[in-house]
Amino acid sequence: GAVVSQHPSRVICKSGTSVKIECRSLDFQATTMFWYRQFPKKSLMLMATSNEGSKATYEQGVEKDKFLINHASLTLSTLTVTSAHPEDSSFYICSAGTGGEGGYGYTFGSGTRLTVV
Amino acid sequence: AQSVTQLGSHVSVSEGALVLLRCNYSSSVPPYLFWYVQYPNQGLQLLLKYTTGATLVKGINGFEAEFKKSETSFHLTKPSAHMSDAAEYFCAVSERGAQKLVFGQGTRLTINP
Repeated sequence: GAVVSQHPSRVICKSGTSVKIECRSLDFQATTMFWYRQFPKKSLMLMATSNEGSKATYEQGVEKDKFLINHASLTLSTLTVTSAHPEDSSFYICSAGTGGEGGYGYTFGSGTRLTVV
Repeated sequence: AQSVTQLGSHVSVSEGALVLLRCNYSSSVPPYLFWYVQYPNQGLQLLLKYTTGATLVKGINGFEAEFKKSETSFHLTKPSAHMSDAAEYFCAVSERGAQKLVFGQGTRLTINP
């Protein structure tokens, strides 16, 4: 089945630095990638939707200049947390939209635990 | 706008007992419905989904769910709980033709030996 590889799985960075998270679709082309944020013991909050070759669509309240999303190819999407602060510490998960038999589906990456110190 | 409500943030059952996790949704159009499982510090794994056709959907690990349009529900069940079922479960909905997935609050399932 479809696999999305997300890296790194865990990262610790200093306040004020930037961190890049990558999501790759390994055996399919992901025209749409979704980026979520998950707080401890909470549900997933959609941050943005990115389509290959176009600008990402951000959800209300998400700072586009802080969370930069790039979807330059059909197999790679990146989320860069710029000038990270402790409040950005969270679990970030990507998901690729997959079409085909059985209707539209979603394949999730394994997540990235970001800790800003 | 779509929304999902999972009744019960925490469900505890004994090993071998029936598992029932409740999910109700609201959607202005016929929805696609999903159940995902999440283990600690991991991504989400699809258990099952309903898109069209048979309203009783069978998924992995012995789970199944029934789409009831009249009740706007998509409850998840498993006849006999196993210790390995302990995890966080999310119900989610997306509108046909649209792609955004909206999640419920999640239900933590605990299995007692």
